[in-house]
This record gives sequence, structure tokens and C-alpha cells, in this order.
Amino acid sequence: DIQMTQSPSSLSASVGDRVTITCRASQSISTYLNWYQQKPGNAPKLLIYFSSSLQSGVPSRFSGSGSGTDFTLTISSLQPDDFATYYCQQNYISPWTFGRGTTVEVK
Amino acid sequence: QVQLQESGPGLVKPSETLSLTCSVSDGSIDTYYWTWIRQPPGKGLEWIGYISYTGSTNYNPSVKSRVTISVDTSKNQFSLRLSSVTAADTAVYYCARVVRGKEYNAPTSGFYYYYYMDVWGKGTTVTVSS
Repeated sequence: DIQMTQSPSSLSASVGDRVTITCRASQSISTYLNWYQQKPGNAPKLLIYFSSSLQSGVPSRFSGSGSGTDFTLTISSLQPDDFATYYCQQNYISPWTFGRGTTVEVK
Repeated sequence: QVQLQESGPGLVKPSETLSLTCSVSDGSIDTYYWTWIRQPPGKGLEWIGYISYTGSTNYNPSVKSRVTISVDTSKNQFSLRLSSVTAADTAVYYCARVVRGKEYNAPTSGFYYYYYMDVWGKGTTVTVSS
């Protein structure tokens, strides 16, 4: 299975901060990488697909980049609604696998 | 806007079969792929498998010997069956819609498919306990 490693596992930030989350795949996955946001008690929500494509309805402060093994999710200016856990997920090879998540907490 | 709703028993005994159904409303089930994902308490997400609109399936090897995903187009539903459950199968189970996109890869002159889950159910908690 392809292992997805996210870093950091958690971070503390303030409203207005620029936040960057990294996801590394154990082998090349081209750009077959999605990002999801999950809040406690809720289902995950798709933010970014195919590494850098913004899902319809998702604010433009979210962006994704990367290819091969290294990927980044960036929140350009953190908003109160963005405190949550973020997961990356590869769909290059079955079984699809997720990272362990990065929790963005209030500083 | 399509909506998904999971249903099924919240408590299953060890060694028995877990059965869940996902009802799809305000959208047709026969033009997408459909998937199940679970999340053990306090842990991350695990993909279980998917079924295509043609009925073909793809399962995670971690559960492949125990899992069946099926679709009932007449009811606009798809289902999950997981046999011989243990406490390790205790989790929140989510159903989701899968979008499949196609990318042309010039170096290989071939097409590749990418997938993402764009609509999710709210999830249902299943506890395995006697």
C-alpha cells in the first residue's frame, strides 16, 4: 500500500495566518492527490482534487500544489471556520489511502 | 443537490455480519461510482471499497475477504456487507459519491483516471460488541 505521511500532525495558528500542510507519498503518485477537511462530528468535505483543482464552492484561500511524492495544502489567510482536521488521500493505486491528518488549532 | 444517507444497525455482535445501506436522493445512482469509508473512534479514515455504475467493485485488501458492496438501482441505494466482524470494525461508516475524471498522459499516449469523493453521507456509528 502507498503510505501517506502528513506533517505536522497538529499546528496552532491565529486568524489571518498563512497555513501550510505537507503530505508525502511513499512512492510517486503523479498528481492523484485529494485534500479533505473534517470538523468534529462531521463527515469529511472535499477541498482540493487532482492535487490543485479547487472543488466548487470552496473558498479561494485554499490551494493545493505538488506532484510525484510531495504535496502541499495552503490556507492563505486562516478564517475561524478553518479550524479543523485536514486529510490527504491518494487515488493513484488501489487501495486508496489517507494520511493520518493534520489538526489546525486555535493559537 | 444530491444527498446521501446511511442506515443500518448501530450494534453488531462479534462474528456476525454488518449491513449498511446508503440511500441516494436528488440524484441518479447509475452515473457515478460509490464508496464506503470508515473511521474508528479517534482515528483516521480508511477506504473500504467502491462499486461502479456498471457494478464492478474494488475492495481494500485489508477487508477484501469479508466485504461485499452492491447497488440497487431500482431503489437508488447501495449497500455494504462486512462479515465476521470484530471489535476492530467498530467505527463511523461513511458512504460517499465518487467522481471519476480522465486525464490524457502525453508521454504514454494514454488516458488515466483520477477519483475523488465529492458528496458524503453524515456517517453512521457501528459498534461491535456482545
